[in-house]
Parts: sequence; C-alpha cells; structure tokens
Amino acid sequence: EVQLVESGGALVQPGGSLRLSCAASGFAFSTFAMDWVRQAPGKGLEYVSGITNNGVSTYYADSVKGRFSISRDNSKNTVYLQMGSLRAEDTATYYCARPSGGLQYFDYWGRGTLVTVSS
Amino acid sequence: SYVLTQPPSVSVAPGQTARIPCGGNNIGSKSVHWYQLRPGQAPLLVLYDDSDRPSGIPERLSGSNSGNTATLTISRVEAGDEADYYCQVWDASSDSPWVFGGGTKLTVL
Repeated sequence: EVQLVESGGALVQPGGSLRLSCAASGFAFSTFAMDWVRQAPGKGLEYVSGITNNGVSTYYADSVKGRFSISRDNSKNTVYLQMGSLRAEDTATYYCARPSGGLQYFDYWGRGTLVTVSS
Repeated sequence: SYVLTQPPSVSVAPGQTARIPCGGNNIGSKSVHWYQLRPGQAPLLVLYDDSDRPSGIPERLSGSNSGNTATLTISRVEAGDEADYYCQVWDASSDSPWVFGGGTKLTVL
C-alpha cells in the first residue's frame, strides 16, 4: 500500500525557516518524481515544488522561488521541503504528492502537515 | 496563465445526481483530473484523463470533457460523497503547469 506521511509543520514567525519531510513507503520511491502542493485556509490547492526521481532537476512555483528548496534522500525514501523567509501567505497545509500520468496528475497524496506563519 | 473555474458549491439530495463543472478555455483539448478532499484526510484522485477511474473508485463517478467545460458526475449520491472536489489540468504555457480549479463544495442535503 502506498503511503506518504508528512511531518515538520509548526508555528513559525515571519522570516523564519522550517523543514518539512515526507516519508514514503509501499512503492519504488527512487523511480518516482515527488511534489509538494499546499492549501491555504479556506483556499484552493496550489502547486509548490517538485523534484525528479534522481534529484537532479527541481521545479518551484514563482510564489516560493528563491525561498524554498526541495531535496530527497532515496536511501531514506524521504523528500524534504526547506522553507525560508517565511511569510504569512505561506500559511497552509502542505501535502506531499506522487505524480503520475507523465507527471501530469497526482495519484497518491499524504494527509498533510500544517505550517502557520504568525508572530 | 490558464484558469479553471468551478462553482463554489453544489447541493444535491441523496440518491440524486450531482454534476460539478470545471470551465476553461478549450479545456476539451486537455486532460482533466479530479480530486476529492475531505477534512483531515489525504486528497484522493477520483478521475484522471477526463473519465478514467483509479482502482477502488466506484462506477458512480464519471467524467466528461468537451469544448470549454469538463464535468464530474456523481450518480446516486451518498452522504459519504460530501467533500470538496477540485479539477486539475497540466498546461505547459502556464507559469506553473499544474493548474487547479478553485474547488467545489458538494453538500448532500
């Protein structure tokens, strides 16, 4: 059974940093790209960042470019999202998602981890 | 950037049919994917490539896509179908290719 479990969400002050983790199981992690998608309170889904299976290529939404960094450790079946220079508008539930269909949609998601940016 | 438009809410009585539209410019030329979100649960892919169902998704859920509107149809609606539903496409010309609609809250009366 495919499982994605996010962790690391917390209350952080504006300008602060946080690292999210997503532990994967139930599939050949090293053969899949991985992504992060977020949902702000009362808002819709927003794509955040993605990384290829070997970690060589990464992608960021303009809203987080230069502030967030995605990485992965295939030996630990884990993908990370390092978040810096956090803003109030980064407050959201962050979901880890596995892309499929030529990376065009997401066939498995985690339950998410809540990041709150507030003083 | 490509924009997907969904109504904020759709209401339907149990046993009836719910139709959730997703509008976009010439969306019929794209593949549309649908997700179900329930509070506290992992989002669930319910349809991909317009009308294909992942394993475990009941046949009551179906999809269509033509012209400027894609539609998620839920037949014989049950209380458990109450959730938020999001459409999504991949659009290479957008700033971020993974484009989501604003979501529709399905309320079962």
